[in-house]
Amino acid sequence: EPEVTQTPSHQVTQMGQEVILRCVPISNHLYFYWYRQILGQKVEFLVSFYNNEISEKSEIFDDQFSVERPDGSNFTLKIRSTKLEDSAMYFCASMRGSGNTIYFGEGSWLTVV
Amino acid sequence: AQSVAQPEDQVNVAEGNPLTVKCTYSVSGNPYLFWYVQYPNRGLQFLLKYITGDNLVKGSYGFEAEFNKSQTSFHLKKPSALVSDSALYFCAVRDDRGFQKLVFGTGTRLLVSP
Repeated sequence: EPEVTQTPSHQVTQMGQEVILRCVPISNHLYFYWYRQILGQKVEFLVSFYNNEISEKSEIFDDQFSVERPDGSNFTLKIRSTKLEDSAMYFCASMRGSGNTIYFGEGSWLTVV
Repeated sequence: AQSVAQPEDQVNVAEGNPLTVKCTYSVSGNPYLFWYVQYPNRGLQFLLKYITGDNLVKGSYGFEAEFNKSQTSFHLKKPSALVSDSALYFCAVRDDRGFQKLVFGTGTRLLVSP
């Protein structure tokens, strides 16, 4: 069964450093998302991406964050200058089309020290 | 704006007993409703969804959920709980407009005792 894959599974970074989280969505999917979850708490929407542009973003997704789909298969989330409060599990997700199920990856656990 | 409420932080049930995890929602358009399960240190696994059609939907691992439009609820149920069902359960909603982001509830921890 196709699945969303994410790398790295865990990354520790120093405050102020740039981080790139990578995702390979399911191959025929058209909608892509990033969510985050702090310590087993609520899952929060960050950004959605469709047709090579951001379609919606939350207030969490400030100028520090960016997304890219550089090559038609990878979908990346960049955090330019990490803060302690960015420590969380980041989930990538994808959906084939309107009305379908959104499938999530296993997550990338980011620890900022 | 969409929102989801899961009123119980935790549900405790004995193995073999029926379980219910509650969810109510609010959307502007027609609701698309989902349940996901999260095991420790794992991702979100899709359990089931309601888009249209029968109000009772069946999903993975013997779970089912009932859509109730008048009560704006989508409670998750299982007739006979297993210890292995112990996990964190999230209800989520999106409407049928826009770019269809999911909005999640705060999650309910299910503990099934032997």
